[in-house]
Amino acid sequence: DIQMTQSPSTVSASVGDRVTVTCRASQSISYWMAWYQQKPGKAPKVLISKATSLESGVPSRFSGSGFGTDFTLTISSLQPDDFATYFCQQYNSYPLTFGGGTRVEIK
Amino acid sequence: QLQLQESGPGLVKPSETLSLTCNLSGGSVTSSSHYWAWIRQAPGRGLEWIANMFHYESTYYNPSLKSRIATSVDTSKNQFSLNLTSVTAADTAVYYCARRGTTLNYGSFDLWGQGVMVTVSS
Repeated sequence: DIQMTQSPSTVSASVGDRVTVTCRASQSISYWMAWYQQKPGKAPKVLISKATSLESGVPSRFSGSGFGTDFTLTISSLQPDDFATYFCQQYNSYPLTFGGGTRVEIK
Repeated sequence: QLQLQESGPGLVKPSETLSLTCNLSGGSVTSSSHYWAWIRQAPGRGLEWIANMFHYESTYYNPSLKSRIATSVDTSKNQFSLNLTSVTAADTAVYYCARRGTTLNYGSFDLWGQGVMVTVSS
C-alpha cells in the first residue's frame, strides 16, 4: 500500500496568512494526487486533482504543486471560510489511500 | 441536480452485517465514465477507502476489508450497495458513498453523499 504522510497535523493561522500543507507518498505516484477540504459534519470536497489542477468553482487562492512523492497544498491568503481540515489522497494505485489530515484553525 | 444519498441503519450489533445503500439522482449508475465508491471515516479520524465498483465489472476492494465486503450495483433502482460482515466497534464510522472517474485524469472523488453515521454496539 502507498502510505500518505501529511504534515503538519494542525496549523494555527490568521486571516490573510499564507498556509502550506505537505503530503509525502511512500512511493512515486506521478501526479495522481488530490486535495480535499472537509468542514465539520460535512463530506469532503475536492479542491485540486492531478496535483495542480484546480477544480471548477474553487477559489484561485488554493494551489497545488508537486510530482512523484512530495506534494504541497498552498492557500495564498487564508479566508474565514478556509478554516477546515484538509486531506491529500493518491489515486495512482489501489488501494486508494488518504493522508491523515491537516486541521487549519484560527490563531 | 446530480446527488448521492446514503441510507441504512444507524446502529448495528457486533458480529452482524452492516448494509448500506447509495441512491444516485440526476445521473445514471450505468455511466461508463465513473466508478461508484464507498469511503468511511471513524470519529475524529481520517478517511479510509473501502471499495470501487463499476456497473458490470471491475470491482476493487481495500485488502484490509476484502474478506468482509460485498458490493452490488442495482441499475433498475439506480443505486449501489455495501455489505460489511462480522462488524466490530472498529467499524463505527461515517460511511460515505462517492463517485470517481474511470480514467486517471478524472480519478479524484468529485461527488460525495452527505454520509451516514453507523455505530456498532450491542
